[in-house]
Amino acid sequence: DGGITQSPKYLFRKEGQNVTLSCEQNLNHDAMYWYRQDPGQGLRLIYYSQIVNDFQKGDIAEGYSVSREKKESFPLTVTSAQKNPTAFYLCASRAGINTGELFFGEGSRLTVL
Amino acid sequence: KNQVEQSPQSLIILEGKNCTLQCNYTVSPFSNLRWYKQDTGRGPVSLTIMTFSENTKSNGRYTATLDADTKQSSLHITASQLSDSASYICVVTEGGNNDMRFGAGTRLTVKP
Repeated sequence: DGGITQSPKYLFRKEGQNVTLSCEQNLNHDAMYWYRQDPGQGLRLIYYSQIVNDFQKGDIAEGYSVSREKKESFPLTVTSAQKNPTAFYLCASRAGINTGELFFGEGSRLTVL
Repeated sequence: KNQVEQSPQSLIILEGKNCTLQCNYTVSPFSNLRWYKQDTGRGPVSLTIMTFSENTKSNGRYTATLDADTKQSSLHITASQLSDSASYICVVTEGGNNDMRFGAGTRLTVKP
């Protein structure tokens, strides 16, 4: 079945550690996105990518990094510079940057101990 | 200030009852508005999309309305079921740059 796969579902991190969240899609979509979801707030855009080897900062990119070496993959690294990383992270994709429905993965919940 | 405001923040209803969720936005220019359903701990799933010229659209027991003049949308759920318990998120796409603006969501709980 076509869709977006995020892993891991749950992740615990000690302060000072970097962690990488995986996002893979087999929808042949060009555009991919990373959002952060906190209680009582709307989704906030971290990074997005319109095409392979290109990505742009979103509204809250500080402390995060991404790569887009393959069309199917858009991993997110939460670095130790992110001061409040505990959150639910959602990866999404759509056919193009200006078109179509956003399809979301199941999310990854990161907890910093 | 968030450009997409949803109300109420949370809502509890009994199974079988109807309810209406509201979404007010200031995003301009307007391209489209989507309602998503998000089950706890899962990713959001699209329910409906409304464009400027559409006033109402149904998807089963879900009916969305749009008043582009007053910049308001509603999602009406008929004959609620326990499986309707979820957060409902309103997303407005800005015309031109196609930026998507997310509401904070309404948390709906349907009780037996």
